[in-house]
Amino acid sequence: AQSVTQPDIHITVSEGASLELRCNYSYGATPYLFWYVQSPGQGLQLLLKYFSGDTLVQGIKGFEAEFKRSQSSFNLRKPSVHWSDAAEYFCAVGAGTGGFKTIFGAGTRLFVKA
Amino acid sequence: DVKVTQSSRYLVKRTGEKVFLECVQDMDHENMFWYRQDPGLGLRLIYFSYDVKMKEKGDIPEGYSVSREKKERFSLILESASTNQTSMYLCASSLRVAGAAYEQYFGPGTRLTVT
Repeated sequence: AQSVTQPDIHITVSEGASLELRCNYSYGATPYLFWYVQSPGQGLQLLLKYFSGDTLVQGIKGFEAEFKRSQSSFNLRKPSVHWSDAAEYFCAVGAGTGGFKTIFGAGTRLFVKA
Repeated sequence: DVKVTQSSRYLVKRTGEKVFLECVQDMDHENMFWYRQDPGLGLRLIYFSYDVKMKEKGDIPEGYSVSREKKERFSLILESASTNQTSMYLCASSLRVAGAAYEQYFGPGTRLTVT
């Protein structure tokens, strides 16, 4: 069965430090992969996506993610975190036919300390 | 930009009431979705619709129904609200095109409390 695992429930980083959020997926074929961000009290906003091609993808707000097929991972990175990045981050995989099934991880909450 | 709006940000209802949550999107998307979001569980799909009057059950449809009479509008109905339906409800939409179909645009959410 398809699944998405985000091993870290929450992470705290200092402002200006680098960030890596982990995501592992289970899916038989090449998946469509996404990272979304949810600010407090808001809906989800797409940060970046991977469909095919270059395994390093760039997104909005200075985020990037790397698809590693051998590790079934799609980790999200940012070289220097800003206080406004404090939010919850969701990894997701598009699975099934017709776009009817997107599986979301449980989320990682990012805290940023001054 | 795609805009998905939900009728209420916060809603408080009593047990047994019938509850309607409305969602409207303005980008002519074919697919629309209803999720509930609970801490530690991520997003769970309740129902989705890929066309007007078409609907499919998601992972947790029990206690819910949906209606899609117009392409831009997708309603979630709680026939008889219960306290275990207290949650954040998120609506989303997407194109029905390979790949892009999974790229979903979300509304701001409705936080429903059932007392």
